[in-house]
Order: sequence, then C-alpha cells, then structure tokens
Amino acid sequence: EVQLVQSGAEVKNPGESLKISCKGSGYTFDNYWLGWVRQMPGEGLEWMAIISPSGSDNRYSPSSRGQVTISVDRSISTAYLQWTSLKASDTAIYYCVRRLAKTGAPIDYWGQGTLVTVSS
Amino acid sequence: QSALTQPRSVSGSPGQSVTISCTGTSSDVGGYIFVSWYQQHPGKAPRLMIYDVSQRPSGVPDRFSGSKFGNTASLTISGLQAEDEADYYCCSYAGTNLPYVFGTGTEVIVL
Repeated sequence: EVQLVQSGAEVKNPGESLKISCKGSGYTFDNYWLGWVRQMPGEGLEWMAIISPSGSDNRYSPSSRGQVTISVDRSISTAYLQWTSLKASDTAIYYCVRRLAKTGAPIDYWGQGTLVTVSS
Repeated sequence: QSALTQPRSVSGSPGQSVTISCTGTSSDVGGYIFVSWYQQHPGKAPRLMIYDVSQRPSGVPDRFSGSKFGNTASLTISGLQAEDEADYYCCSYAGTNLPYVFGTGTEVIVL
C-alpha cells in the first residue's frame, strides 16, 4: 500500500525556522518525484515545489521560490520542506504529494497533511 | 501564473448530472492533455479522480468523466450521489518549470 506519512502539526512564532517531513513507502521510491501543496485556511490548493528522488532536480512555483527549500534524503525515502523565517501568512495545511517521474504525470497520492500555525 | 477559473459552486439532486468547468489559457489547459481533477471532502486530503483530461484511475466510479475543448476542461458527475458532495479542483500542466496549476475550486452541493 502506497503511503506518504507526514510529520505532525507545528505551532511556531513568526521569525522561527521549521522543517517538515514526508516519508514514502509501499512503492519504488526512485520512480516518483515528491512535492508539496499548500492549503491556507478556507482556501484552495496551491502547488509549491517538487523534487526528483535523487534530489538532483527540483521545481518551485513563482510564489514559493526563495521562500521555502525542498530537499530529499533518498536513503530514508523522505522529502522535506523548510523555512528559515516563518511568517503568519505561512499558516496552512501542507500536503506531501507524489507523481511519476514523467512529464505531465498527475499527482496521484497525497499525504495526510501537516498543519503549520504561525502566531505570536 | 494565475489559478485556473472554476465556478464557486454547483448543485444538483441525487441522480442528476452536474458539470464543473475549468478555464485556463493556451499556456496551460489549452496547450496540453495533462489536466487532472481532485475531490476533497472536508478535513481530508484530496483524491485523484481524473487525469490526462479523461482517464479514470482504478477505483474511481465511471460516474465521473472528463473532457476538454480549447482552453476549458470539464468534469461531469452523472447519477449524483450524496457522497459526491465535496470540493473539486482542476489542475493543469503549464510547462517544465510550472508542472501544476490548480483551479480555484468548486463546491458540489447535493440537494
């Protein structure tokens, strides 16, 4: 069974750093890219970033580039999303997603979501 | 890159059909076959319902169908059921550096 298991909810102050994780299992890790999709409270889905299983290639949305860093540790089948200085506007649910390593492949599996709350 | 445009909500009675539109541009929806649709129930993660405009993943009921004409894609739910009440999002490929652009989302209400 394919699973994307994400780290737990976080409550942070503005300006703090954060790294959330997503561990893939139940499939051949090297055949799929992992990425992140944001959903702000009461809002829609917004794709943020995606990374190849080796970490050698990645893509960021224009609004995410420079705001977050995506990374992967192939040895433990885990992807990460990192912030160096959180803002209140980063408050959202972050979903880990998977897609086949093929141009145009759809996002076919989603993690359970990680709620990040940034508040003073 | 702006979000794709969807109606805020559509509604129908059980057994009826509803269609959700997703309008983009020639740089996304109109330029590729890589359009997908996701269903999201409250408090749950999204689920892939349609990919490559009209393909259904294993396990998705054949009541769900997709199509595309020009810069507009559509999702049709035939024989509407109570469990179909959810939010639906379209998503399109928009090039190597922008593989996913989501729609604004549509709430399907089963009357």
